[in-house]
Amino acid sequence: DTAVSQTPKYLVTQMGNDKSIKCEQNLGHDTMYWYKQDSKKFLKIMFSYNNKELIINETVPNRFSPKSPDKAHLNLHINSLELGDSAVYFCASSRQTGGVGGGELFFGEGSRLTVL
Amino acid sequence: AQSVTQLGSHVSVSEGALVLLRCNYSSSVPPYLFWYVQYPNQGLQLLLKYTSAATLVKGINGFEAEFKKSETSFHLTKPSAHMSDAAEYFCAVSGSGTYKYIFGTGTRLKVLA
Repeated sequence: DTAVSQTPKYLVTQMGNDKSIKCEQNLGHDTMYWYKQDSKKFLKIMFSYNNKELIINETVPNRFSPKSPDKAHLNLHINSLELGDSAVYFCASSRQTGGVGGGELFFGEGSRLTVL
Repeated sequence: AQSVTQLGSHVSVSEGALVLLRCNYSSSVPPYLFWYVQYPNQGLQLLLKYTSAATLVKGINGFEAEFKKSETSFHLTKPSAHMSDAAEYFCAVSGSGTYKYIFGTGTRLKVLA
């Protein structure tokens, strides 16, 4: 029943490891996003896909690689994890009603990544 | 390009008092503006949005916001604060024709008994 679901909710790992976060939405939306929220609650957009096509790719290290197998799923893979990658990663989706930009974002509950 | 400035990273009000959270935006295209609320250990949920219809927008939980183009502002208000309003509030902007949603730095609202 959850509209936007992310797994895992918590992730604790060592520096240098590789990890993935998965996101699924059952809202029928065309656009999905990854946002990073740091310890000061600042939300920074990382990536966005529209109908499986990458449309936003912000200044993010190459160690971060998104993948959208279909428009309901968006995954985030992170290689060679660093201490600074510790954050909460939020997946979101939207339908662009009334023109691109006007649709609200629906957020998942977040995946808290802790790198030791 | 779009940007958002939220004045006041922390705001404290007494229960029953007026809540006013400030947001100013910058946009090179007609803006769409949003207020989101985040409770501890949860995702963000939409309070209200402005998409070029009425300038006074009513949202959930008794919140409203007014779009003022001349002041490039979209301040969030609630006449009477409730303890359950304590949370982090984010203003966000997107623009007509853009998929990018830019968030402000957030304002933590504390409600005092």
